Amino acid sequence: QKEVEQDPGPLSVPEGAIVSLNCTYSNSAFQYFMWYRQYSRKGPELLMYTYSSGNKEDGRFTAQVDKSSKYISLFIRDSQPSDSATYLCAVNTGNQFYFGTGTSLTVIP
Amino acid sequence: NAGVTQTPKFQVLKTGQSMTLQCAQDMNHNSMYWYRQDPGMGLRLIYYSASEGTTDKGEVPNGYNVSRLNKREFSLRLESAAPSQTSVYFCASSEALRVGRFGPGTRLLVL
Repeated sequence: QKEVEQDPGPLSVPEGAIVSLNCTYSNSAFQYFMWYRQYSRKGPELLMYTYSSGNKEDGRFTAQVDKSSKYISLFIRDSQPSDSATYLCAVNTGNQFYFGTGTSLTVIP
Repeated sequence: NAGVTQTPKFQVLKTGQSMTLQCAQDMNHNSMYWYRQDPGMGLRLIYYSASEGTTDKGEVPNGYNVSRLNKREFSLRLESAAPSQTSVYFCASSEALRVGRFGPGTRLLVL
C-alpha cells in the first residue's frame, strides 16, 4: 500500500467553480500535511501546510485534514484559469516526505 | 534569496555516460533531498541528507550516488547512465518536520 493515494484526474471545471482535491494516507504517524501546486515544466511550489486536524484557510484555498479517517483535502473557491496546474498532496514524518501522484486541474474560462 | 537552484536545466546523455547534477540552497536548511518525477509515478525519493555529513537512501537509490558537500550543496551523480534514468530531477530542502522547498528541476534524457 502506498503511503499517499491521490486521484490523478484529470479534473476540468468552469471558471468560478469550487474545486475539491482529495488524498488518503496510510500511516497515522504522519505529522505534517501539505499541498503543492506544479505548473507545467516547473518545480512544485508549496501552497499550504497544516499540522493538525481541521481547516486552514489562505485566500481562496482551504486545506482540510481529518486524522481519524486519514483524509486530506484542498478546496479552491472561485477557481481561476491561473489555477490550472497539477496539485500534489504530501505528508511527512521525520525527514521523509511522501507525495501523491498529483491531480491535473484545468479551469476553463 | 534564490531559494533552491539546480544545474543544469537540461541534459542529454548517451547510455553509459556519467554526470553530476548540482543543487544549492540559501535558506540555511538542514535537510536536502533528490527526487525524480515520472509520468504516473509521482515524486520518488532517490536520496536525502538529514544534515551536513549524512546521507540516506530513499525509495529508488539504485544507479545514483550523492554527496553533501556542505550545508548549502547536495549533488547527485549518475555513474553510468541508463535509459531508465530519463526523468525530471528535483532537488528540495527543508527544516526537519517542516515543509520542503523545491528547485526548478533538471530534465535528463538518456539515449
